[in-house]
Amino acid sequence: GAGVSQSPSNKVTEKGKDVELRCDPISGHTALYWYRQSLGQGLEFLIYFQGNSAPDKSGLPSDRFSAERTGGSVSTLTIQRTQQEDSAVYLCASSLVEGWMNTEAFFGQGTRLTVV
Amino acid sequence: KNQVEQSPQSLIILEGKNCTLQCNYTVSPFSNLRWYKQDTGRGPVSLTIMTFSENTKSNGRYTATLDADTKQSSLHITASQLSDSASYICVVSHSGGGADGLTFGKGTHLIIQP
Repeated sequence: GAGVSQSPSNKVTEKGKDVELRCDPISGHTALYWYRQSLGQGLEFLIYFQGNSAPDKSGLPSDRFSAERTGGSVSTLTIQRTQQEDSAVYLCASSLVEGWMNTEAFFGQGTRLTVV
Repeated sequence: KNQVEQSPQSLIILEGKNCTLQCNYTVSPFSNLRWYKQDTGRGPVSLTIMTFSENTKSNGRYTATLDADTKQSSLHITASQLSDSASYICVVSHSGGGADGLTFGKGTHLIIQP
């Protein structure tokens, strides 16, 4: 696609339910990143994929969070048993090569998750 | 601890006026610094990237400066337009690289009033 696409753009869910957030990166981009942006806070790193593997999962806040990437393309971030503190905008970014030093990462528009 | 501090937290100016946003960092070892613009409901979009050897870089009405000695960067917006209303995020990477080799500022929320 022309840019990074995320779906849904908005999601309201009840506390305790599971949610799946989808990211469709720019075609050919091997690196994919998930971030979380809470109200009034900076971007918080969650997880990073190089191809289908996730060399860095250090940012996942709890074992309720998991992510996978298939075919080196689409990624899904799953949050199980959602809590109100999970409410945030979840941003996905992709870049042509690994690491931010030498290349630009392009962001999707985000998924706004509200847990009620 | 690597930190990026941005100021002011929010700013309101009249259309046509200039403004300067500040970014101070303690990231080490420094690799590069990026300024991103994030429109409401959108993802951040890169405005400019500054490496260690660069002091000034312009992108249209946006001019970024970097002082690697004092670890400060600024983003100057000239002749502001209503479309400049957005959050501006400073992102500093350390030369360890990798996805977690980044430190994000909390952003400056800029509002341009007609």
